[in-house]
Amino acid sequence: DAGVIQSPRHEVTEMGQEVTLRCKPISGHNSLFWYRQTMMRGLELLIYFNNNVPIDDSGMPEDRFSAKMPNASFSTLKIQPSEPRDSAVYFCASSLAGNSGNTIYFGEGSWLTVV
Amino acid sequence: QQQVKQSPQSLIVQKGGISIINCAYENTAFDYFPWYQQFPGKGPALLIAIRPDVSEKKEGRFTISFNKSAKQFSLHIMDSQPGDSATYFCAASTYGGYQKVTFGTGTKLQVIP
Repeated sequence: DAGVIQSPRHEVTEMGQEVTLRCKPISGHNSLFWYRQTMMRGLELLIYFNNNVPIDDSGMPEDRFSAKMPNASFSTLKIQPSEPRDSAVYFCASSLAGNSGNTIYFGEGSWLTVV
Repeated sequence: QQQVKQSPQSLIVQKGGISIINCAYENTAFDYFPWYQQFPGKGPALLIAIRPDVSEKKEGRFTISFNKSAKQFSLHIMDSQPGDSATYFCAASTYGGYQKVTFGTGTKLQVIP
């Protein structure tokens, strides 16, 4: 059973370039999350989608960041233009939201380095 | 009020010992407390979770203790093994509907032989 699939696994880019991270959630899950992990700030929720609709984007740091979920099986997180302080591990995660303690399933992350 | 405070930041335990990680929360609306385990190069994965209607939950060598009045909960790893070396995150959320999970800052556990 495939888990959450993220690509690319590693990305090194120059400051100012556009970065697009991709995610395929677990089939049947109706919630999708983008998290950012750094040593300084830990795990931060960037945005949450439910049934492909953005519900909470309060964690998106600034207008340079945007996320889309055009269908139930695909989401992107875009950074344009990228800056060195965006260097982090970006995790996509999915869950089946409902009346239960939903387990959030994380992908293996996209390791972004902006130089 | 959304914070979850976790300690210690790092922990070194000898093989066979007990590892204890503590968390505290402020928001009384939280009623679901999962722990996630993260190995290097991997995403976090659910380890064990508890709801506040019980004071303790045990799964194998892993036990969550929960103190509702103190708004604290902890993870105990009995008979710690080198394979338990990982980063552990406590978390808190509400049980149903949209779960905005608030994570602690993580504890890096190293179990030495």
